[in-house]
Amino acid sequence: GAGVSQSPSNKVTEKGKDVELRCDPISGHTALYWYRQSLGQGLEFLIYFQGNSAPDKSGLPSDRFSAERTGGSVSTLTIQRTQQEDSAVYLCASSSAGAGANVLTFGAGSRLTVL
Amino acid sequence: QQQVKQSPQSLIVQKGGISIINCAYENTAFDYFPWYQQFPGKGPALLIAIRPDVSEKKEGRFTISFNKSAKQFSLHIMDSQPGDSATYFCAARWPGAQKLVFGQGTRLTINP
Repeated sequence: GAGVSQSPSNKVTEKGKDVELRCDPISGHTALYWYRQSLGQGLEFLIYFQGNSAPDKSGLPSDRFSAERTGGSVSTLTIQRTQQEDSAVYLCASSSAGAGANVLTFGAGSRLTVL
Repeated sequence: QQQVKQSPQSLIVQKGGISIINCAYENTAFDYFPWYQQFPGKGPALLIAIRPDVSEKKEGRFTISFNKSAKQFSLHIMDSQPGDSATYFCAARWPGAQKLVFGQGTRLTINP
């Protein structure tokens, strides 16, 4: 695709429910990232996938958060038993290999509101 | 622990003026320092970047100044325009990895 596509763009859920956020990276990009942007805060790294390597999960804040990337393309971030502090914009980014690896292309984000 | 500290949180500049945003980092191993620009409702987009072996990089009206000894770098926007109004994030990259550590962001407003 022309850019990184994320869905849904907005999600309102009740505390305790599970949510899934989807990311379609740029075709051919080998690396995929998830970041979280809370109100007034910077971007917090969550997880990074690179090709067939084991993902870097060092930023996931708790075991309620998980992510997978199927077929080296689409990724899903799952948040189980959502809490109010999970409310944020979840951003996905992708990058290519080689010289393009430094350039992260972000999607518009999925805004999650937990009531 | 905030590894990249950014200031100010918000900044208002008159059209035609110079906008300056500062960042300080903790880890001397960081090997790449990009700036991202984010408009409301959009994801951040790479604006300009520098490596630590260079003290300055200029692209059009945007300049990064890098002070390795002080562990600081800054973004200068010359002749600031209303279209530059956005949130700006500095970042630093861990060596040998592709993940970026971001500052808290600066909301820049350029008054016409």
